Amino acid sequence: DAMVIQNPRYQVTQFGKPVTLSCSQTLNHNVMYWYQQKSSQAPKLLFHYYDKDFNNEADTPDNFQSRRPNTSFCFLDIRSPGLGDAAMYLCATSRGARLAGGTDTQYFGPGTRLTVL
Amino acid sequence: SQQGEEDPQALSIQEGENATMNCSYKTSINNLQWYRQNSGRGLVHLILIRSNEREKHSGRLRVTLDTSKKSSSLLITASRAADTASYFCATVPLSGNTGKLIFGQGTTLQVKP
Repeated sequence: DAMVIQNPRYQVTQFGKPVTLSCSQTLNHNVMYWYQQKSSQAPKLLFHYYDKDFNNEADTPDNFQSRRPNTSFCFLDIRSPGLGDAAMYLCATSRGARLAGGTDTQYFGPGTRLTVL
Repeated sequence: SQQGEEDPQALSIQEGENATMNCSYKTSINNLQWYRQNSGRGLVHLILIRSNEREKHSGRLRVTLDTSKKSSSLLITASRAADTASYFCATVPLSGNTGKLIFGQGTTLQVKP
């Protein structure tokens, strides 16, 4: 089945120790998104890739970086995790608004829950 | 900036009852979507309503959109325990054509067996 996969599901890291979260998709979608979701809050978009075109949200801290080496994979790098970065990180994909005529829907992975000690 | 606001924040009902959740937003939209999130999981797309539509149905779901009031509602009829989840509305702004979603804060629904 076509899907969005996130690994690992649970990640524990130490304060200041770099960590990488991964996302892969078998949907062949053009767009890949990374969201941060804290407890009982709405998902907050960090950035997204439209093909190879990287789009950063204005309020995303520099501590967060992303890489998309190919269509299928996208990585979230947190260079120096702080306690405030503990959250669920959600990856999502979509065909892309340019193709979908604006009625694009997103497909989410199960998320990676990050704990910072 | 966050655009959608939802109410109630939490809703608890008995199985078989209907559940209604409301969403308000601030700017002009291309479309509005509803997503469900089971505890500790990713979001699942439920339904999309375009700005020129007023009502849409999908199974036990009914969504309405009032662009003059910048509001939407999601009705789940004949609720089941499996409907227990958080429900988020998300808008796609009219400008930009990026397809970016702006999520509301969500409504946590508990359906008691």
